[in-house]
This record gives sequence, C-alpha cells and structure tokens, in this order.
Amino acid sequence: DGGITQSPKYLFRKEGQNVTLSCEQNLNHDAMYWYRQDPGQGLRLIYYSQIVNDFQKGDIAEGYSVSREKKESFPLTVTSAQKNPTAFYLCASRYRLAGVGELFFGEGSRLTVL
Amino acid sequence: GENVEQHPSTLSVQEGDSAVIKCTYSDSASNYFPWYKQELGKRPQLIIDIRSNVGEKKDQRIAVTLNKTAKHFSLHITETQPEDSAVYFCAATSTGANNLFFGTGTRLTVIP
Repeated sequence: DGGITQSPKYLFRKEGQNVTLSCEQNLNHDAMYWYRQDPGQGLRLIYYSQIVNDFQKGDIAEGYSVSREKKESFPLTVTSAQKNPTAFYLCASRYRLAGVGELFFGEGSRLTVL
Repeated sequence: GENVEQHPSTLSVQEGDSAVIKCTYSDSASNYFPWYKQELGKRPQLIIDIRSNVGEKKDQRIAVTLNKTAKHFSLHITETQPEDSAVYFCAATSTGANNLFFGTGTRLTVIP
C-alpha cells in the first residue's frame, strides 16, 4: 500500500527540547516537503528536498532542521530555537520537484510544547 | 514570489445549495492551480486541478474556473452534501517552481 507515513501522530514536549518528526514515503517520489499548518494561516513551507543529501529552506525555516539521507525519508527536527513550535506539521511528497503534479500528504503530526 | 489569496475564510451553506470559493494569484507565470480538501483530522487530498490552457474543468459536482487575465480561479461545488464539509485550499505554481503556494483555506460547513 503506497503512501506517506508520519510519526508520531501526537507529541508533547517541554520547552527547550529538540524533537524529531519522522516522514517516510514508498511512492518513489524525488521531492519531499515539510509544511506547518496553523489556524487561519494555511500551509506554510518549512523545508523541501529534491534529491538525497540536498534540501532547501522554505518560507519559515528558522528553528527547524532536516536531513535527506535516503530517498524515502525526510525527518524534521524542531529545535529549541523555534519560538512558537506548537503546530500541526504535514509532510508531503511529489514525483518531482518542479512542475505540475499532485502533492501527496501524510496524516500529520501535532506537536504541543508545554 | 507568488502570493495566493483565498476568500472567504469560512462558508456555511444549506445542504443542496451551491458553494463558491475564490482565489487570486499574483504571478502571471503560474500555470497550474490545484484544489485540496482537508476533512477534520485528515490529510489534505487533491480534488481537482486546472492548467492555464483551459478555462474550466468539471468533475461531477465539482468545477474549477480560471480567468488568467484577472488572475483568479474559483472552486464551485453544486448540490452540496454534509460530506463536503471540510477545509478547502487553493494553490498555484508554475512549471519551473519548486513549490506550491497555498491560500489560507476556507472552512466549508454544509448544514443538513
């Protein structure tokens, strides 16, 4: 069954702790993305990656880091430098980076910082 | 870069009525306009898209129209049903862009 898997679905952390959100896809897609979703603000791009070992900052990359060591995996680390980390995080993938094509989303991870 | 504005932010309609959601974009190079539906607690999913070489596309009760001159596109849902209740996002991108630029979303509520 092809798709994108995000984990964990819910995550609670204390202020000052780094947390890592997992994203795995078996769609053989080259491009992967991380979005942050806040009420009334739509989907804002954090980072994206076109190929292994390459990634680019999106509109709101400050306080986040990513890696792309395998084509299938694109984990996101929310660092203590992120001032307002409580949000819903969506991972997505697409066949290739540029051009048209459907974006496939994971089910999301809801991070709450206490 | 591209800027996509979406209106209204919330919309309530009676079951069976039509719903219209409108988006404008700023970059004349944008040539692909998808719409995503996100049901409560679920992932966004593509429901329809349109490319700039056509003015309208229809899929059963859903249609999208595009006015390239005015740089706006709209989602039309006819004969609405309770299962149409969701948040709808429009987006725009171009062939050379690395990303989709999303609107801020419209929460549609269909009242039975």
